[in-house]
Amino acid sequence: KNEVEQSPQNLTAQEGEFITINCSYSVGISALHWLQQHPGGGIVSLFMLSSGKKKHGRLIATINIQEKHSSLHITASHPRDSAVYICAVRRGSNYKLTFGKGTLLTVNP
Amino acid sequence: EAQVTQNPRYLITVTGKKLTVTCSQNMNHEYMSWYRQDPGLGLRQIYYSMNVEVTDKGDVPEGYKVSRKEKRNFPLILESPSPNQTSLYFCASSLSGAREQYFGPGTRLTVT
Repeated sequence: KNEVEQSPQNLTAQEGEFITINCSYSVGISALHWLQQHPGGGIVSLFMLSSGKKKHGRLIATINIQEKHSSLHITASHPRDSAVYICAVRRGSNYKLTFGKGTLLTVNP
Repeated sequence: EAQVTQNPRYLITVTGKKLTVTCSQNMNHEYMSWYRQDPGLGLRQIYYSMNVEVTDKGDVPEGYKVSRKEKRNFPLILESPSPNQTSLYFCASSLSGAREQYFGPGTRLTVT
């Protein structure tokens, strides 16, 4: 079993829909990252969080340390949100990152 | 402009021919890291560096070497590349290991 599991693997939505992508992990962590990768490959960091909730524009990330679970929400989705969303965890006191396999989001107009 | 640069962006080479992929950042970041991305396996960490002269292994270090002689540069060295090192490679940096990371544009390497 992978240390970091994302669901769903693929997600298709209509423009304007509320999107939720989930990340579960099985190890102790000190922080969790959400990344976005558009077709063409570039990777952008969206959030880094170790507790609670963070919001940036239409994106919201939450984490529940006790349940070892994080969610990324996108409100009022738009075709430009189409990308692969990747969850990564920093384990314990070291600075290694372990990644989920990503969720491919397609938002249709 | 704050950025992480990688060179080359694309490289096709043959088995056994030593190569170096350069990574440079202009943000005075202490932490730098190398990842590879493969279909079905996702991103995996190769090596990371907390500061000059401080490096440590990630999850897939075999077949790779790194050095951190200057704060801004973190080259990835493949001394004897093999076809299983064909991959998309990303370099990243951050202010510290505990901060968000900035990624380079990627280097697509093919080893025949």
